[in-house]
Amino acid sequence: DAGVTQSPTHLIKTRGQQVTLRCSPKSGHDTVSWYQQALGQGPQFIFQYYEEEERQRGNFPDRFSGHQFPNYSSELNVNALLLGDSALYLCASSPVEGYGYTFGSGTRLTVV
Amino acid sequence: SQQGEEDPQALSIQEGENATMNCSYKTSINNLQWYRQNSGRGLVHLILIRSNEREKHSGRLRVTLDTSKKSSSLLITASRAADTASYFCATGPYNNNDMRFGAGTRLTVKP
Repeated sequence: DAGVTQSPTHLIKTRGQQVTLRCSPKSGHDTVSWYQQALGQGPQFIFQYYEEEERQRGNFPDRFSGHQFPNYSSELNVNALLLGDSALYLCASSPVEGYGYTFGSGTRLTVV
Repeated sequence: SQQGEEDPQALSIQEGENATMNCSYKTSINNLQWYRQNSGRGLVHLILIRSNEREKHSGRLRVTLDTSKKSSSLLITASRAADTASYFCATGPYNNNDMRFGAGTRLTVKP
């Protein structure tokens, strides 16, 4: 049973560019949440998707946007990249009922 | 914004010793969860304790919850070098919606 899959593993982008990160949830999970984790910090909630809609959003600017597809996979898009966007981006999936997220291994984004 | 705050920020112990990490949070919760993260990779769910529970065990892990003090503790008994990781507490008001993490405790277990 595959867990959460994220791609790519690592990514280097230049300031001002745009990036798309991808996430496939665990089988049986239909809710996807995205987190940003700066070095030495805890994960910060970006947003959550359920039934292809953004259900909740954390304190992130509109440069951060997302999408969920009918197969429950999700994308995180970041426009106009800043140096401060350099971080580990984690995707987590969860079932509608029940508790406990399953996290992917993350995408390490470096903005230069 | 962070919800939980772990204490201490870093902890270094010898193999075989017990490790205790604490977490404080700010708002009412339905449950509190502990996660582990190795070397900046994905988080692994360790244990969940509901707001009406005071203590829970899972193998070498023991979690306590004091809702009156808005605090929780994670005890790892008989620690091993493989327990070296960062440990985070996370709170979620309604099921898994909008789960918030603390900054974590970095545990180092020396062989």
